[in-house]
Parts: sequence; C-alpha cells; structure tokens
Amino acid sequence: QVQLQESGPGLVKPSETLSLTCTVSGGSIGSYYWSWIRQPPGKRLEWIGCVYYTGSTNYKPSLKSRVTISVETSKNQFSLRLSSVTAADTAVYYCARGLVGATRDYYFDYWGQGTLVTVSS
Amino acid sequence: SSELTQDPAVSVALGQTVRITCQGDSFRTYYASWYQQKPGQAPVLVMYDKNHRPSGIADRFSGSTSGSTASLTITGAQAEDEADYYCNSRDSSDNPVVFGGGTKLTVL
Repeated sequence: QVQLQESGPGLVKPSETLSLTCTVSGGSIGSYYWSWIRQPPGKRLEWIGCVYYTGSTNYKPSLKSRVTISVETSKNQFSLRLSSVTAADTAVYYCARGLVGATRDYYFDYWGQGTLVTVSS
Repeated sequence: SSELTQDPAVSVALGQTVRITCQGDSFRTYYASWYQQKPGQAPVLVMYDKNHRPSGIADRFSGSTSGSTASLTITGAQAEDEADYYCNSRDSSDNPVVFGGGTKLTVL
C-alpha cells in the first residue's frame, strides 16, 4: 500500500520560504507525477505543481515564479519550496501521486494526510 | 483559464439517488476526476477518466459527462457518503490541473 507523508515547519514568516518534503513508502517513485496541492481554510483545492521521477517539472502558471519542486529518487522523496510567502499562502499542503488519464488530464490516486502551514510573524 | 463550477451544497435522502455536477468548458475536451473529502481528512479519489472507479470504491458511484457538464452520481446514498466532493480536470491552456469549488453533500 502506497503511503505519503508530508514533513516540514508548520509556521513560516512572511517573505520567507516555505519548505516541505514528502516521503513515499510502499511503492516506487518512478513513472508518476508527484504533486503538491494545497487547500486554504474553507476554500477549494489548488494544484501547485508536480515533478516527474526524471526531474521534469510543471507548475501552476500563477505560482511558477515562486515555486520549486524537486525529487530525490534515492530517498523516495520529493520536495516543495515556495518563496516570498504571504498570509494568502496559509493552507493545508498535501502531497499526492499523480497519473495522466486518457485525455491527458491529471488525477491523484494517493494523498498524504496533509500538513497545515501558517504564514505569520 | 477554464474554471470548474459546482453547486455549493446538495442534499439527498438516505437510499435515494443524487447527482453532483461540475460545469466547465474543460469537459468538452478532457475527462473529469472526482474526490471525496471528509472533515479533517485528505481527499480520496472516487472516479477518474470520467467513469472509472478505483479499487475499493463502491459501485453505487458512477460518472458521466454531457457537453460541458461532468456528473458524479451516487445511486442509493449511504450515511457514510456525506462529505465534500471535488471535481478536477485539465485546463485548456497551459494549466494542467484545475479543481471545482466543491459540493457539500448532506445525507438526510
């Protein structure tokens, strides 16, 4: 059974960089699109971006200038860095395993439990 | 960019059938996926590629698309189906993943 677990600070100061790591267990990190998805309190899910096991990335256009997602296959981990954070970046951050569907849409079959990151001084 | 629009809330009597809809131009080109999210929990994939159920998802869940509307139907809703449901698909531009605003399903 594939399991994902997020780790990282729960509190980040405004203007600083948010850093999270997702550890994947019970399966290989190969051939999937490892994604970060967030959900501000009471709001909809928002895809941030993904990394393929080869290191190729794809980001949400409106966040692209602030986001870096990387993968470390030897550790079965992938990571998120979001720079210049503001209060609007406060959210539950999920890591998820992504697949490409029949029409090149992405869907997510395994999710971490989520971690709340609060941006506040 | 393409947006996906869902009704904020829907209710259904126990054992009855309910359809949760998601509207967006994306569905004229791309399939929908659906997620169930219960309070304090991560989303769970319940439907992908329009009408494919992951292993372990009850067969009372089904999916369909008509024009610009994707639907998730629960036939014989159970108390445990009470949750928020989110649709997702691909944007027609360079934004590969978009989510709907979610529908809160209440089972009466």
